[in-house]
Amino acid sequence: AQSVTQPDIHITVSEGASLELRCNYSYGATPYLFWYVQSPGQGLQLLLKYFSGDTLVQGIKGFEAEFKRSQSSFNLRKPSVHWSDAAEYFCAVRGVGNDYKLSFGAGTTVTVRA
Amino acid sequence: GAVVSQHPSWVICKSGTSVKIECRSLDFQATTMFWYRQFPKQSLMLMATSNEGSKATYEQGVEKDKFLINHASLTLSTLTVTSAHPEDSSFYICSARADRGAKNIQYFGAGTRLSVL
Repeated sequence: AQSVTQPDIHITVSEGASLELRCNYSYGATPYLFWYVQSPGQGLQLLLKYFSGDTLVQGIKGFEAEFKRSQSSFNLRKPSVHWSDAAEYFCAVRGVGNDYKLSFGAGTTVTVRA
Repeated sequence: GAVVSQHPSWVICKSGTSVKIECRSLDFQATTMFWYRQFPKQSLMLMATSNEGSKATYEQGVEKDKFLINHASLTLSTLTVTSAHPEDSSFYICSARADRGAKNIQYFGAGTRLSVL
């Protein structure tokens, strides 16, 4: 079974500064990887995904993530944070078989200060 | 992009009553939908996998008689919380897996906040 670890519970960043959120996974092969964002009281919005191919993937809202097989990581980055990026961010993984279940990390809360 | 509609967004009910939550895929067909529960400041916990035309598959520890799931069509799944009690108060989120094109992606509804008095 797969699992996901998000080491940072809470990150505070200044508006305009760069942001990096860490995600490590455990799986016997290369899984499918996702980053979702959740605003307060809302559902989850898909930011980006990795299935295969280029290990640097671009997503919406200026986010990107890099898959590093050697480190079992899929870290999310944004060069310049906007106040609207304050939210909860979840990394998720699913296996490549017919089990379509997603396993979520515990989430990282991002606070943006002016 | 694919849209999943969840209704209602917020419901308050008395203890002992039942509440039904709907999850609809608006612009795609979904043979598989998922129901999650999220406690404050916590991650999503998968409750069950809903398959169109067949019985739902529940995760360990989830009471199937308490949380009734029906997936009667390719665009609609419902979760009924039966005889709700205050401990059932939570944020419930559904997702739908698109069957064509980006079939490996789950699209999420906006969630339903259930408060049981």
